[in-house]
Amino acid sequence: SQQGEEDPQALSIQEGENATMNCSYKTSINNLQWYRQNSGRGLVHLILIRSNEREKHSGRLRVTLDTSKKSSSLLITASRAADTASYFCATLESGGGADGLTFGKGTHLIIQP
Amino acid sequence: NAGVTQTPKFQVLKTGQSMTLQCAQDMNHEYMSWYRQDPGMGLRLIHYSVGAGITDQGEVPNGYNVSRSTTEDFPLRLLSAAPSQTSVYFCASSYGNAYRTGRGYTFGSGTRLTVV
Repeated sequence: SQQGEEDPQALSIQEGENATMNCSYKTSINNLQWYRQNSGRGLVHLILIRSNEREKHSGRLRVTLDTSKKSSSLLITASRAADTASYFCATLESGGGADGLTFGKGTHLIIQP
Repeated sequence: NAGVTQTPKFQVLKTGQSMTLQCAQDMNHEYMSWYRQDPGMGLRLIHYSVGAGITDQGEVPNGYNVSRSTTEDFPLRLLSAAPSQTSVYFCASSYGNAYRTGRGYTFGSGTRLTVV
């Protein structure tokens, strides 16, 4: 079953604006990752946040994690046309066992020039 | 170029046929996994491997087999193709425990499979 659920499903903003996407998950996690997928392409890893971290930055990306609410957010600042893509959160459950990621259904982001 | 290579990129099968999707990585990654992506469903884990000789089932393993005889290769076999297996298949690899390494997965470019 899907672990993460992204919100919104689709987002359209003007170039230069900030884009915020949210992810909720169901079980205790080891870490949470965000990926980008351009149309018809493979996924590209953006950023990983561990369960004991609350915020991480990477360039124009800022990720937060609230384990008490089982939620994460991805902020892309000063958006560009090249940021147009689908964004997925993926979790790795804590407690060992499966080492495959569980993905949400994604947010489709469109940056209008 | 270093990365995850998937072949073929496109494939059409008839119901009942079998085939193998190939996946190879040249980054000496321990972990490898297979996902399928269906419209509106995100990616779902089929099988994964934490090292040569070790494989395990993911969320949707039925109808698929895997083996990991080498670190580099992780082929996915469809035993008897069904229309429900029409999907885009992605192979991914990583160094190992993501919590420890802080690194995510590297994905291949995918195989688009249609079963008629």
